[in-house]
Amino acid sequence: GQNIDQPTEMTATEGAIVQINCTYQTSGFNGLFWYQQHAGEAPTFLSYNVLDGLEEKGRFSSFLSRSKGYSYLLLKELQMKDSASYLCAPGSYSGGYNKLIFGAGTRLAVHP
Amino acid sequence: NAGVTQTPKFRVLKTGQSMTLLCAQDMNHEYMYWYRQDPGMGLRLIHYSVGEGTTAKGEVPDGYNVSRLKKQNFLLGLESAAPSQTSVYFCASSPRQGGNQPQHFGDGTRLSIL
Repeated sequence: GQNIDQPTEMTATEGAIVQINCTYQTSGFNGLFWYQQHAGEAPTFLSYNVLDGLEEKGRFSSFLSRSKGYSYLLLKELQMKDSASYLCAPGSYSGGYNKLIFGAGTRLAVHP
Repeated sequence: NAGVTQTPKFRVLKTGQSMTLLCAQDMNHEYMYWYRQDPGMGLRLIHYSVGEGTTAKGEVPDGYNVSRLKKQNFLLGLESAAPSQTSVYFCASSPRQGGNQPQHFGDGTRLSIL
């Protein structure tokens, strides 16, 4: 089957660092995406990992371990505008097509 | 630079009524998707399309139909709305090639069934 597990809620302080973990079990794994979703808005693409290791993009970094079925999103120098839900979405390739399986998301609250 | 546009943005229906949600993308993407998002749950795939004239079932297709008559448009239909279909519906699109192509989402349609 397919299963994605990430914390439901996290809180952090402005200027701090926060790590959002995601564990997954999917068949036909074909890379993992992280999306950001502000309340009432559309999800927007943050990062993609297909190989093991860390991908850095400004204040955001994402890590993947394929053998462990594990990823994390690291947010540095937190800002108030980072308060949002963060969706972990492994890709699953089957039948010739690549589909995303979304976790329920981690709601991050950044406070002063 | 519109990207993915969904209409309408809000709608209230009575049980048993029918309606169509429209999704339009201007990025010449091959793939298009319809998801629903409910509290405490991840985005769940309803139907998807890998090209003009093709559609396929996703994770939760019952009660919905779709059509992709034009490459840029993907329609989601509810033939007989039920309260369980109260949700936020998102359309997304992505290019054909490569598993590393992210999906681009519209702003969503908030649908309430009374």
